[in-house]
Amino acid sequence: RKEVEQDPGPFNVPEGATVAFNCTYSNSASQSFFWYRQDCRKEPKLLMSVYSSGNEDGRFTAQLNRASQYISLLIRDSKLSDSATYLCVVLSRGSSNTGKLIFGQGTTLQVKP
Amino acid sequence: DTGVSQNPRHKITKRGQNVTFRCDPISEHNRLYWYRQTLGQGPEFLTYFQNEAQLEKSRLLSDRFSAERPKGSFSTLEIQRTEQGDSAMYLCASRTEQWRVGTQYFGPGTRLLVL
Repeated sequence: RKEVEQDPGPFNVPEGATVAFNCTYSNSASQSFFWYRQDCRKEPKLLMSVYSSGNEDGRFTAQLNRASQYISLLIRDSKLSDSATYLCVVLSRGSSNTGKLIFGQGTTLQVKP
Repeated sequence: DTGVSQNPRHKITKRGQNVTFRCDPISEHNRLYWYRQTLGQGPEFLTYFQNEAQLEKSRLLSDRFSAERPKGSFSTLEIQRTEQGDSAMYLCASRTEQWRVGTQYFGPGTRLLVL
């Protein structure tokens, strides 16, 4: 079983739609969580951190449920420019000083006009 | 451009050849990572440097792989006797200890194809 699991999609949605991505992680001792975005044939870039209380950044809302070991990302009012792969990322507890990131396989979003 | 740079961007080689990739991190970043990404998968951690010291290596890093970071600046990743299974995108990332640990800045990657 992979340490971080995501539905690979693709999710095909019209502009303006709300879309949600989910992710589960297996290591209950994991400390920190993130969403990275990766455009086609480009490098991953940090989208946002995920805090226990939930956090919002414009149209993006991230939530964490430690009891269920579940992370989510909600995108409201989707734009064409949101089309990308969204990577769920967990900081490995055993290497919190190293900063080793454990990535899910990514969920692909395609926003259509 | 003050971001992470990687060279070459693309490399095609024949099975059994050796290849070397270079990463130049953001200048004030003392921590450097190598990841590998295959098609349809997320990046997988390979190794970590703090300054010039290599402090962690993944089991993915077989004895055909070696990484260095002389003087704590740029880093090189060498693959000896390449195999077709080594075909992947090799990503370098860096961060400074002043940033949150999860904030890593990735380079554009080196795409390797082993024929």
